Amino acid sequence: KNEVEQSPQNLTAQEGEFITINCSYSVGISALHWLQQHPGGGIVSLFMLSSGKKKHGRLIATINIQEKHSSLHITASHPRDSAVYICAVRTGTASKLTFGTGTRLQVTL
Amino acid sequence: DSGVTQTPKHLITATGQRVTLRCSPRSGDLSVYWYQQSLDQGLQFLIQYYNGEERAKGNILERFSAQQFPDLHSELNLSSLELGDSALYFCASSVLTGPGELFFGEGSRLTVL
Repeated sequence: KNEVEQSPQNLTAQEGEFITINCSYSVGISALHWLQQHPGGGIVSLFMLSSGKKKHGRLIATINIQEKHSSLHITASHPRDSAVYICAVRTGTASKLTFGTGTRLQVTL
Repeated sequence: DSGVTQTPKHLITATGQRVTLRCSPRSGDLSVYWYQQSLDQGLQFLIQYYNGEERAKGNILERFSAQQFPDLHSELNLSSLELGDSALYFCASSVLTGPGELFFGEGSRLTVL
């Protein structure tokens, strides 16, 4: 079993829909990152969380430390949100990130 | 634009060869991280340097090595290349050595034929 599990693996949505991507992890963590990877390959860091909730534009990330679970929400989805979303966790003061396998999102018109 | 620069963007080479990938971190960032993304293994942490010193090691093969120079740019050297080394190699930087926001480069796509 992977230390970081994401669901769903693939997601297709229509423009305007509310989207949720889930991440569960099995180890104690000091931080959780949500990353976005566009078809061209580049990676953008969306959020770094250690507790609670963060919001940036139409993106919201939440984390529940007790349940070892995080969610990434996209409100009013748009085709430009089409990308792979990757959850990654960091344990303690370690530098190593352990990555989930990613959720491939396609938003259609 | 993350401020992290990686070169080259694309590289095609043959088995047995050696290549060097270069990363310039964001201005002021002391930590540089290298990651490998392959189709079968996903993203994996390779190695981290902080202010010129190796700070953490992940799943880095012995055929691979890295260093960080006094101007804080870093190089990842891959030698005796095999077909399975074909992957995207990402560099990321951060201000500190511990948990903190990461800024990723665009990646270097290596194809080994």
